[in-house]
Amino acid sequence: EVQLVESGGGLVKPGASLKLSCVASGFTFSDYWMSWVRQTPGKTMEWIGDIKYDGSYTNYAPSLKNRFTISRDNAKSTLYLQMSNVRSEDTATYYCTPISLYGGYSGYFDYWGQGVMVTVSS
Amino acid sequence: DIQMTQSPASLSASLGETVTIQCRASEDIYSGLAWYQQKPGKSPQLLIYGASSLQDGVPSRFSGSGSGTQYSLKISSMQTEDEGVYFCQQGLKYPLTFGSGTKLEIK
Repeated sequence: EVQLVESGGGLVKPGASLKLSCVASGFTFSDYWMSWVRQTPGKTMEWIGDIKYDGSYTNYAPSLKNRFTISRDNAKSTLYLQMSNVRSEDTATYYCTPISLYGGYSGYFDYWGQGVMVTVSS
Repeated sequence: DIQMTQSPASLSASLGETVTIQCRASEDIYSGLAWYQQKPGKSPQLLIYGASSLQDGVPSRFSGSGSGTQYSLKISSMQTEDEGVYFCQQGLKYPLTFGSGTKLEIK
């Protein structure tokens, strides 16, 4: 059974940094590109970025690439999201998810964790 | 960025009714579309990928169709457990983008 367990969220002040973790099990973590997706309290879904299976390449949403960094440790089957200089608009539930490909060209998310809440407030 | 316009924003349906949700992409996404269901307090769950491929374990009353820029999700006979929010997502180009969601309720 695929399991994705996110952690590291909580209440943080604007301008602070925070690192989220996601421990994966039930599949071969090192075979998959992995992604972070967030959902605002208003239910808007936003893709944050992804990382290649070996950690050698990342892609980010343009609006976030200067503040967010995705990394992974395949030995620990763990995905990370380093968030810096957080803002109130970063308040959201953060999900990690492996990426599957349709037809070899279109990415989609077939497994989701329970998510971790991040609240940015002074 | 590819914009995903989803409609309607909300709808209510009676038990057994057929429900259709639309998603329009701002450019051709070559069937690179997925649909997700999110029940209250839960994580999203994949229903459809590749515009029309049903994810394992998803009831057959769910179906997806479309091509080019226009796609739809159909629920052939609304059940109480189908209440929730439905999202479309394009996976063709970075950044991957989602529709704004459709809230589906029982009438």
